[in-house]
Amino acid sequence: GAVVSQHPSRVICKSGTSVKIECRSLDFQATTMFWYRQFPKQSLMLMATSNEGSKATYEQGVEKDKFLINHASLTLSTLTVTSAHPEDSSFYICSAGWGSTVFFGSGTQLSVL
Amino acid sequence: KQEVTQIPAALSVPEGENLVLNCSFTDSAIYNLQWFRQDPGKGLTSLLLIQSSQREQTSGRLNASLDKSSGRSTLYIAASQPGDSATYLCAVDKGGGSQGNLIFGKGTKLSVKP
Repeated sequence: GAVVSQHPSRVICKSGTSVKIECRSLDFQATTMFWYRQFPKQSLMLMATSNEGSKATYEQGVEKDKFLINHASLTLSTLTVTSAHPEDSSFYICSAGWGSTVFFGSGTQLSVL
Repeated sequence: KQEVTQIPAALSVPEGENLVLNCSFTDSAIYNLQWFRQDPGKGLTSLLLIQSSQREQTSGRLNASLDKSSGRSTLYIAASQPGDSATYLCAVDKGGGSQGNLIFGKGTKLSVKP
């Protein structure tokens, strides 16, 4: 079946550094991918919609200059958290639709010290 | 603004029990509703998807119902097993052509005791 691969699964970094998270659709092409964020005891919240070959669409309240999204090919979208701070510590997860099904990556737990 | 609520937040049952998880949403104009399973440190696994025109879907020991007019869905798990222990998430798709633009509830953390 269709699989979405997400790397890394866990990142610990110092405040001020940038972190890149990759999301790949392994056996299907995804013109659209989605990035979500989940804080402890909260629901998954959509951050942005990643569109292949064009700019991402960000949800209200999400800083596009802080969370850079690049969807350069039909199988890869990347989320870069620039100048990460402790308040950016969260679980980040991507998804892509194929047919009538949505497939999620395994998620990335980001901890900013 | 669409809001999705799940109750209970946590549930602990002995093995073999049948159980029901509840999900409610505030805006009945949905494209579909999905139930997911989330295991610690892992991604989400889609369990059941109910289109807005459907009333229920079944897969094995799982049955999900949808009452769009009242903004409610239930996930019924029959003969629960310890392997069912996980967090169950309900999500509605707003539609609009971008499959995967989902609004999630906070989930129900299920623990099935052997």
